[in-house]
Amino acid sequence: EIVMTQSPATLSVSPGERVTLSCRASQSVSSNLAWFQQNPGQAPRLLIYGASTRATDIPVRFSGSGSGTEFTLTISSLQSEDFALYYCQQYDNWPRTFGQGTKVEIK
Amino acid sequence: QVQLVEFGGDVVQPGRSLRLSCVASGFTFSAYPMHWVRQAPGKGLEWVAFTSYDGRNKYYADSVKGRFTISRDTFKNTLYLQMNSLRAEDTAVYYCARGFNFHDGSPTDHWGQGTLVTVSS
Repeated sequence: EIVMTQSPATLSVSPGERVTLSCRASQSVSSNLAWFQQNPGQAPRLLIYGASTRATDIPVRFSGSGSGTEFTLTISSLQSEDFALYYCQQYDNWPRTFGQGTKVEIK
Repeated sequence: QVQLVEFGGDVVQPGRSLRLSCVASGFTFSAYPMHWVRQAPGKGLEWVAFTSYDGRNKYYADSVKGRFTISRDTFKNTLYLQMNSLRAEDTAVYYCARGFNFHDGSPTDHWGQGTLVTVSS
C-alpha cells in the first residue's frame, strides 16, 4: 500500500501568518491527492482535490500544489477558523491511504 | 443539499457482529460511489471500504477484509457496513462518505457526522 507521510506533526502559528503543510507519498500518485480539514468532534471537510483544485465553497486562501510524490497545502493568511487538523489522502490506488495529519495550533 | 446520516453504532463484545447504516438524501444515491472511513479515538483517519455506484466493484482495507462487507440499497438510499468478528481495534467513529462523481477513482466530497462503535467486553 502507498504510505502517506505528513510534516510537520504540529505547526504553531499566529493568525494572519502564511502556513505550508507537506505531504509525501511512498510512490507516485500522479495528481490524485486530496486535502481534508477536520475540527474537533466534526467530520472531515474536503478542501482540495486533484492536488490543486479547491472544492466547492473553499476560500481562496487555501491552495494546493505538487504531483507525483510531493505535495503542499498552503494557507495564505491564517484565520481563527483554520486552526484544525489537516489530512492528505491519495486516491490513486487501493487501498486509499491517509497521512497521519498535521495539527495547526495557535502560537 | 447533500446529507449523509449514519446509524447503528453501539457497544459490542469482541467477536460479535454489528451493522451500520448510512441514509443518503439530497442527491441521486444510485449515481455515486460510497465509502466507509473510520477514526479511532484520538487517532487519524483510516479508509475502510468502498462500493462503486452500481455495487459491482468493492474494495476493503486489509485490516477488515474477510470480516466486513459493504453493500447498498438503491431503493432505500442506504449504504451498509456489516461488521463481523469485531475486535477491540475496530473501536472507532465510522463515517460514510460520498465519491465526487461516478468514477471509482474520485475523491470523497461529502461526509456524514459519524457513528461510534465500541468493541469491549
